[in-house]
Amino acid sequence: DTEVTQTPKHLVMGMTNKKSLKCEQHMGHRAMYWYKQKAKKPPELMFVYSYEKLSINESVPSRFSPECPNSSLLNLHLHALQPEDSALYLCASSQVPWRNYNEQFFGPGTRLTVL
Amino acid sequence: SQQGEEDPQALSIQEGENATMNCSYKTSINNLQWYRQNSGRGLVHLILIRSNEREKHSGRLRVTLDTSKKSSSLLITASRAADTASYFCATVFSTDSWGKLQFGAGTQVVVTP
Repeated sequence: DTEVTQTPKHLVMGMTNKKSLKCEQHMGHRAMYWYKQKAKKPPELMFVYSYEKLSINESVPSRFSPECPNSSLLNLHLHALQPEDSALYLCASSQVPWRNYNEQFFGPGTRLTVL
Repeated sequence: SQQGEEDPQALSIQEGENATMNCSYKTSINNLQWYRQNSGRGLVHLILIRSNEREKHSGRLRVTLDTSKKSSSLLITASRAADTASYFCATVFSTDSWGKLQFGAGTQVVVTP
């Protein structure tokens, strides 16, 4: 199984809502990533988990809270978001973050709209 | 800030033609990768070329790397309508043990039947 799945595909939320994005992979990868992508722009790295531990936080606002319950799952908890947070949120996984072999497998993304 | 600059920003070709896009970067790299993204979907890894390699092939794809010029090119031969997508290069800094991908701005390719 070389697939990364993400749910939901689309999400519309108000600025006072709390919601979560979910990501799952069964490739045995021990590194997982969250990216944010605005229209016609490249993905921007938000968080990196390595062996279920948060390794990199790219100065992301605290209204985004990542969680890695186990080696196959990655969540992104959302709270008090702003309209400018509307974007495509991509999850990815790879073998341990070893620079020679860091091909990343991406999920299809969650299209988030904040009203 | 983006590590890579891609050229052209957009490319429109007919089916059967070749498509070439270029990526330039600023910092010494460990490897360079190319990804494809169909409209509003996830990225698909196409090919990885290491800093000690000069050329790689995968099916209709050919990637070159010139570390002296800090540039790479992706050639898609005999293009098909299904190749319509955005193509991103992504570099991994040689000093980065985490292997973080630094994406370029991307090239939007449209292949018309």
